[in-house]
Amino acid sequence: NAGVTQTPKFQVLKTGQSMTLQCAQDMNHNSMYWYRQDPGMGLRLIYYSASEGTTDKGEVPNGYNVSRLNKREFSLRLESAAPSQTSVYFCASRGQGKETQYFGPGTRLLVL
Amino acid sequence: AQSVTQPDIHITVSEGASLELRCNYSYGATPYLFWYVQSPGQGLQLLLKYFSGDTLVQGIKGFEAEFKRSQSSFNLRKPSVHWSDAAEYFCAVGGSGNTGKLIFGQGTTLQVKP
Repeated sequence: NAGVTQTPKFQVLKTGQSMTLQCAQDMNHNSMYWYRQDPGMGLRLIYYSASEGTTDKGEVPNGYNVSRLNKREFSLRLESAAPSQTSVYFCASRGQGKETQYFGPGTRLLVL
Repeated sequence: AQSVTQPDIHITVSEGASLELRCNYSYGATPYLFWYVQSPGQGLQLLLKYFSGDTLVQGIKGFEAEFKRSQSSFNLRKPSVHWSDAAEYFCAVGGSGNTGKLIFGQGTTLQVKP
């Protein structure tokens, strides 16, 4: 049982390039989340999908888009990367009626 | 406004000593409270959670936390720290309702001296 998986593990981009971060979960969870982690700021919610077919903005959505491809997969896209988006990105999922979120291993992104 | 504050950014304790990490929250409804741990280069692992009932909750790795509604606190404790406990610890509030969104504190980095 893999839980929550994320690809890639590490990525370097140049300013203005685009990329998509992939997330998949095999726990049949309804809700999925994207966070970014920056030193001294904890984790901040970028976007979330409470259920398949829905997505909503979190605390820091600017510069990002998401797609809930199906129940398993939730991707995060940077259309035009900026140095301020250098961060560690975590995906998480939560079962329906449950309270606990389960996290993936993270993607480290460096934007030059 | 909903928020979580972890007053201590960095804590150093000696191996075998006791540990208490502080967490204060502001949340409009009855809070669901969580402590997660993150080892270097790793994802977040759930240590323990509080939803209701007994205000002293036990978690994995010998950790416990006490919910004090009057103080809006959910402090994490361990009687005797091991070198492997060195990590970053995050307190979070929320998780209820349809969205399940969590609000995280800034994190506390624990260093363990031999």
